[in-house]
Amino acid sequence: QKEVEQNSGPLSVPEGAIASLNCTYSDRVSQSFFWYRQYSGKSPELIMSIYSNGDKEDGRFTAQLNKASQYVSLLIRDSQPSDSATYLCAVRGDSSYKLIFGSGTRLLVRP
Amino acid sequence: NAGVTQTPKFQVLKTGQSMTLQCAQDMNHNSMYWYRQDPGMGLRLIYYSASEGTTDKGEVPNGYNVSRLNKREFSLRLESAAPSQTSVYFCASSEQAQVGYTFGSGTRLTVV
Repeated sequence: QKEVEQNSGPLSVPEGAIASLNCTYSDRVSQSFFWYRQYSGKSPELIMSIYSNGDKEDGRFTAQLNKASQYVSLLIRDSQPSDSATYLCAVRGDSSYKLIFGSGTRLLVRP
Repeated sequence: NAGVTQTPKFQVLKTGQSMTLQCAQDMNHNSMYWYRQDPGMGLRLIYYSASEGTTDKGEVPNGYNVSRLNKREFSLRLESAAPSQTSVYFCASSEQAQVGYTFGSGTRLTVV
């Protein structure tokens, strides 16, 4: 079992819709959770971080964390074609310094 | 612009050749990391340096060595390149463990 699992997609949504991206993790003691966006041929860019159960909103992005279910999600409201990218979930694992990444979900926003 | 700078951006090596990937950050971050990214495999940690003077192995360290030259610079060396090391290599840094990383633009390495 992978430590951080994501559906590879592609997830296809129409412009203006809500895109929902999901991630599960295996290490129950994980403390920090991150979402990165990666455009094709580019480096990952941090878009959201969340550390406690519940929702955290930043503009059109909402991160949701449920530690009991070992589940973290990212909602993108009013999706735009420019949101089309691969979204990487990352979890701080058993070491204080290492992030464990999922393999990413590719999102396609159709105009 | 402040950030993480990697050189070179592209490199082709022959099997058995050696090379060093350079990484420098100007954000005064304590921790630095080297990842490789392969299709379908996500980002995998090669080595990391929690602070100046320390280095530790990550998930896939075989075939690589690192040097934390000073607080700014963290290099990755391939002593004898193999085709399995064909990948995109990313350097990253963070101020502390609890926050996310800032990534460099990557080095696309092909070993033939």
